Amino acid sequence: AQKVTQAQTEISVVEKEDVTLDCVYETRDTTYYLFWYKQPPSGELVFLIRRNSFDEQNEISGRYSWNFQKSTSSFNFTITASQVVDSAVYFCALRATSGSRLTFGEGTQLTVNP
Amino acid sequence: DTEVTQTPKHLVMGMTNKKSLKCEQHMGHRAMYWYKQKAKKPPELMFVYSYEKLSINESVPSRFSPECPNSSLLNLHLHALQPEDSALYLCASSHIGREKLFFGSGTQLSVL
Repeated sequence: AQKVTQAQTEISVVEKEDVTLDCVYETRDTTYYLFWYKQPPSGELVFLIRRNSFDEQNEISGRYSWNFQKSTSSFNFTITASQVVDSAVYFCALRATSGSRLTFGEGTQLTVNP
Repeated sequence: DTEVTQTPKHLVMGMTNKKSLKCEQHMGHRAMYWYKQKAKKPPELMFVYSYEKLSINESVPSRFSPECPNSSLLNLHLHALQPEDSALYLCASSHIGREKLFFGSGTQLSVL
């Protein structure tokens, strides 16, 4: 069975603050993919990143960075210098390499205030 | 074209109505998905089509009937729904064996 836990239900920050969204996962699969999706109020789920389980390199994309630690089964997401447009629900998700099912965490509602 | 288009954006229906949700993509994806999302909850997988054939049905009630008439279109036929079926219905697509799903903006369904 797979499980994704996002312990932070809601986070509120002031613009330009850095914020980290936590994600912890459980899986019996030896190979898997981890994802982050953003869901703004418009409803569409926007793909942010995919990470293979055998690739523990951290990644930076502009103001976004991801810290994958297999030893602690965590895949945390940091937004640097947050902006109001970053306000959305962020979902962490897990999928076995051989499967079609994407297991989502409960999501974290991020509000960035001006 | 990197979009998944869903229509209608909003739908209100009575419990005795029959309606259909439509989803279209032109990215050449051969896997298409229906997800259901209740407010403040993550999306839940309903159906997966691979090469226009139903490959996964997550024990969805028969009042939801999916259809994949061709590689670009995915429908969800609704009949005799219950108020608890009110939710955001999201369509997604991907290449077979590829992990990245492209999602549409969804249809917000209200059942009265």
